[in-house]
Amino acid sequence: AQSVTQPDIHITVSEGASLELRCNYSYGATPYLFWYVQSPGQGLQLLLKYFSEDTLVQGIKGFEAEFKRSQSSFNLRKPSVHWSDAAEYFCAVGALNQAGTALIFGKGTTLSVSS
Amino acid sequence: DAGITQSPRHKVTETGTPVTLRCHQTENHRYMYWYRQDPGHGLRLIHYSYGVKDTDKGEVSDGYSVSRSKTEDFLLTLESATSSQTSVYFCAISDPGLAFYEQYFGPGTRLTVT
Repeated sequence: AQSVTQPDIHITVSEGASLELRCNYSYGATPYLFWYVQSPGQGLQLLLKYFSEDTLVQGIKGFEAEFKRSQSSFNLRKPSVHWSDAAEYFCAVGALNQAGTALIFGKGTTLSVSS
Repeated sequence: DAGITQSPRHKVTETGTPVTLRCHQTENHRYMYWYRQDPGHGLRLIHYSYGVKDTDKGEVSDGYSVSRSKTEDFLLTLESATSSQTSVYFCAISDPGLAFYEQYFGPGTRLTVT
């Protein structure tokens, strides 16, 4: 069965420091992988998406993610964090079905940014 | 931003009453989804639709029904609301024309069942 694990429930990073949020997935074939961000009281915004191409994927807002098949990981990174990046981040894996991809979400990582 | 609206945005209702949430899209996307978000659980799929009048169950469908009579509207109904259905409900859309079948989300509806 598909599953997504985000090992870190809460992370605090200093403004200007680098960020890495971890995501591990379980899926039998090549997965569709996504990172979403949710600001308080808002909906989910797609940060980046991946399927079967380059292992380093660029997204919006300066984020990137690296796919490592051997580790079943899809970690999100940003070289320099801004205070506005404070939010909750969700990793998701998708399997094709009759309605596109059925997404399975991780439980999320809350990012706090300290000054 | 994708043209997705949800109504109402907030609702308080009593146990045992019926509740209908509406998702409306202006993107003409074929696929639509309903999720619920609860602390510590992330998002879980309730029902989805792969075309007008074509729907199927997701992971947590018990107590919910859906209908899609038009491409642009996807309704979620709680026939008899229970306190366990207090949650934030998100609608999402996608389309076979999108290379990654990525989903775009609406702003959410916060439902409280008292």
